[in-house]
This record gives sequence, C-alpha cells and structure tokens, in this order.
Amino acid sequence: EDKVVQSPLSLVVHEGDTVTLNCSYEVTNFRSLLWYKQEKKAPTFLFMLTSSGIEKKSGRLSSILDKKELFSILNITATQTGDSAVYLCAPLGSYNTDKLIFGTGTRLQVFP
Amino acid sequence: GAGVSQTPSNKVTEKGKYVELRCDPISGHTALYWYRQSLGQGPEFLIYFQGTGAADDSGLPNDRFFAVRPEGSVSTLKIQRTERGDSAVYLCASSPTGRVGNEQFFGPGTRLTVL
Repeated sequence: EDKVVQSPLSLVVHEGDTVTLNCSYEVTNFRSLLWYKQEKKAPTFLFMLTSSGIEKKSGRLSSILDKKELFSILNITATQTGDSAVYLCAPLGSYNTDKLIFGTGTRLQVFP
Repeated sequence: GAGVSQTPSNKVTEKGKYVELRCDPISGHTALYWYRQSLGQGPEFLIYFQGTGAADDSGLPNDRFFAVRPEGSVSTLKIQRTERGDSAVYLCASSPTGRVGNEQFFGPGTRLTVL
C-alpha cells in the first residue's frame, strides 16, 4: 500500500529561523513528487521534483529529492509570519493517472 | 475565471440526504480531479477525469459517491444517502493535460457537514 509520512507533524518557530520539513514515501510506480502550501483551503503549488539530487529553489524555499532513499526535504530560510501554513508532500504514484498521494502535512507556525 | 472555482463553499445537510458539489476547472484544462480532506489529514484522491470520461475512480469510497463531467468542463460530485462520516472538505483540482509535468491547480473546496 502506498505510504507518505511527513515529519514533524507540527513546528513552531520565530521569524528569521530556518526550518527543514521531511517527507518519506513508499509509492509504486513513482514518477515525481510535489510540494504544496495550504493556508486556508486551496493548496498552492510550490515544487515538482522528478530527478534525484537536483535542488529546486524559489526565493527562500528550496527542495530536493532522493529517489534511492525515498525522501524529500523542503527548506525555508529566514522564515516570515506569512510562511505559516500546512505544507503537504504528494508523490505521483500511478502509472496511468496523475492522482496525488498526500501526506498528513506539517503545520508550520511562525511567530514574530 | 482565473482559477478553479467550487460551489457551494459550505454545505450543511442532514444524514440520509442527497448532495451535489460543483467544480468549474480552469478554462481549457482537460484533466480534473476530486479529493476529500478530513480534519488534520492530507487530501485523499477520489476520482480523475480526462475529458468527459472517468479515467480513474479507484478512490471513491463506495457506490453512494458518483461524479460526472458531461461536457468535459464542469464536474459534479454527487453523494447519495449522506452519512456523518462524509463530513469533510471536498477539493477539486485541474491540470492542462494530466500528464507528468503538469501541476494540479486546486479550488478553495466545499466544506460538507452532515448532521
């Protein structure tokens, strides 16, 4: 059975801190892994990772995938209160369809 | 519209009733997905449409759940004989083609509460 585990489940930091969010997965027919940010309702896309070892960056956020060890990390440097959200990791795990298999997410709270 | 829209934003119903949830994908997107998100959990896949046809309905929990997309654009998720366990946020997403490399764009969801 496909499995996605995110850690930590919850994280509380102060503005300016750096955080690392973890995602491990066991998914058949793995093709790529997506990260989403969910503030209220609609998850918004952050990154799609397909190849191991290639870091993707967007401003203060970066992410990398390790297909051998079956995990991905999402880093956020110099955190801001606007980074407070649930961060969801979602491997694509089906050969024929693009259904995303989501983890439970990491709830990040950034305080001033 | 600019993004995926869903109506209603909130729906409260009584156990045993029938409900319909609507999703308007981004114009031109051929792939459409329904997910269900319970409190404290990540979204859980329900069904995927490519055009008018359901390409994968393996996530529908039972035969009380049904979805259609008759003209390849708007989709309706239908739930018969609702149960309290159906309470959740129902999310719809669309993507341009459904192939790898296309991100899924999510709507704001419909919060369904079954009393």
